[in-house]
Formats: sequence, structure tokens, C-alpha cells
Amino acid sequence: QSDLTQPASVSGSPGQSITISCTGTSSDVGSYNHVSWYQQHPGNAPKLMIYDVSNRPSGVSNRFSGSKSGNTASLTISGLQAEDEADYYCSSYTRSSTYVFGTGTKVTVL
Amino acid sequence: QVQLQQWGAGLLKPSETLSLICTVYGGPFSGYSWRWIRQPPGKGLEWVGEINQIGRTNYNPSLKSRVTVSIDTSKMQFSLKVSSVTAADTAVYYCARGPGTTWFFDLWGRGTLVTVSS
Repeated sequence: QSDLTQPASVSGSPGQSITISCTGTSSDVGSYNHVSWYQQHPGNAPKLMIYDVSNRPSGVSNRFSGSKSGNTASLTISGLQAEDEADYYCSSYTRSSTYVFGTGTKVTVL
Repeated sequence: QVQLQQWGAGLLKPSETLSLICTVYGGPFSGYSWRWIRQPPGKGLEWVGEINQIGRTNYNPSLKSRVTVSIDTSKMQFSLKVSSVTAADTAVYYCARGPGTTWFFDLWGRGTLVTVSS
């Protein structure tokens, strides 16, 4: 299984919106609505931000939203804040009953 | 507040067996799947394996022959063993929880750095 493809880095100014893409195949992202997104600050464990494409866990800001079209999922962060600067990873369940993660995107707040 | 506390040996020699344990505190053990993910230094996340609420296991095909995940319900613990380790197994290993029959990881342990070096 291959990693899902994400841009290495995305940046934006405070208050702007940014979108991170996550491209897989018809065997993972395209097969199920089981895409999740994780935020990871340096030295910390990942934190669940979005599950099942577009659902937010309790306590996660509504500035974070998710969507999917075909084999590509996306995470949008609106009203970018300094605390959003982190690495972001997507994940998908696959037809092989396994999980695959994205390559990771470093978000920089300018 | 539910927490996952993990521990295990942090330094191994090539060919030894990696062994980690994760204990659930402050919340239920049943009704969840229990999972392991690893992250090599400076790199991305890799799913290692899992065990579900009825004891069924599932492993990353690239590691399947060397990995065992097990549970001890009485102790509210689950464990990971990786045999015949090499330097390529050097990583931070995270334990994580998956609610019921779901396909995401909603709670993570703090991670354990395991280094394989001769």
C-alpha cells in the first residue's frame, strides 16, 4: 500500500483560509467515506480533527472542515490562527482492511 | 478523563523483540478497537496493527510476519510485539483507540521512542 499524497507545505496569513489536499486511489479514499485528519504539534501525539470525511469531534473548532471528491479528500482551515501551525496528516481505511496515512503537510502561519 | 499510558524498552539491538504495553485509564476498555501506529524520526505516520473488541487482529502487510497485537481485558491493557527488529524499526510508537466499529483514531498515547542500534 502507498501513502496518500499531500502537499509538503501550505502557508497562509492569520485570518485567511487554507486547504490541504489528500490524494489516494479507488482502493482507499475513493472507496469509503472513512477519511480522517490529524493535527500534530512538534513533540506531541497526533490529535483527531476530522473523521468520516467531514465530521468534527467534540471540542474541535468549527474553523476546521473536511470534504471529499472522488479519490481526493480535503481539509480546510478557515480564519487561520497561530495555534494552527502544525503538521497535518490524512488517513483512510482501505479495501484491504488496512489503514494508510498521508505524507503529511506542514502548515505555516505567516 | 480517559488516558492511554504506554511503556516499554526504548533501546534494542538488531534481531531483538520490541515489546510495548498500553494501559487504559479513566474509561471503558470494551467496545473499542485498540491500535498501534509508528512514526520514524522526522517522517510520517504508519499504521502497524490493531485488535478489535472480539479479539480479531489485523496487521500492516509490510510488517505482518513480525507483528503481534494482543489484549488483556482484566488489566485494561493491550500490547505490541515486533520481532527481529532492525534499524528501520526505529520510531516513536503510539497506541491509539478506535471507537466501536469505526475507522479513525480518537485518542492517542503520548508515544514511546524505540531506537534499534548495535
